[in-house]
Amino acid sequence: AQRVTQPEKLLSVFKGAPVELKCNYSYSGSPELFWYVQYSRQRLQLLLRHISRESIKGFTADLNKGETSFHLKKPFAQEEDSAMYYCALTRGASYDKVIFGPGTSLSVIP
Amino acid sequence: EAGVAQSPRYKIIEKRQSVAFWCNPISGHATLYWYQQILGQGPKLLIQFQNNGVVDDSQLPKDRFSAERLKGVDSTLKIQPAKLEDSAVYLCASSRGQASYEQYFGPGTRLTVT
Repeated sequence: AQRVTQPEKLLSVFKGAPVELKCNYSYSGSPELFWYVQYSRQRLQLLLRHISRESIKGFTADLNKGETSFHLKKPFAQEEDSAMYYCALTRGASYDKVIFGPGTSLSVIP
Repeated sequence: EAGVAQSPRYKIIEKRQSVAFWCNPISGHATLYWYQQILGQGPKLLIQFQNNGVVDDSQLPKDRFSAERLKGVDSTLKIQPAKLEDSAVYLCASSRGQASYEQYFGPGTRLTVT
């Protein structure tokens, strides 16, 4: 069965420092991976997806099929990056459900 | 465009009571989802509708949970009777079509069962 793990519940970094939020998944096929974010008092929203290979708000994520990982990275953390981050997976078929990881709370210290 | 609307935002009930949640998706979005998010966990899909038909309800505890999406627009999720372990945030989301990852979430309903 598909599963998403995020080993860190809490992650604190100083402003300007690099940040990496870890995500590992289990699925034998070719999944689609995403990162969702929830800022304080805001709704859960899509941050980025691996197929797009885009950088959103300075964040990037690379799918490593060998290590079954999809870590989220940003070279210089900003205070506004403080939020809850969820890694998510879908098998890619139409109507296939999205499976979310447990989330990592990122706190950027001024 | 207006976002996904949910009501109520908070609800406190005693175990064995009934409760219902309402969701109004973004206009034109054919797919609607209900998630349960227990504290410290990620959202878990309970049921997914495509228009007014059920696409996936494999994780819905059907002995106590029910959901409907009459006319393919608004949806209600009901719990009857509630248990302590049902305490969670219930999220509604919608998407335009088949790409389920592009979901737009509502603010959620925080349910506390005492």
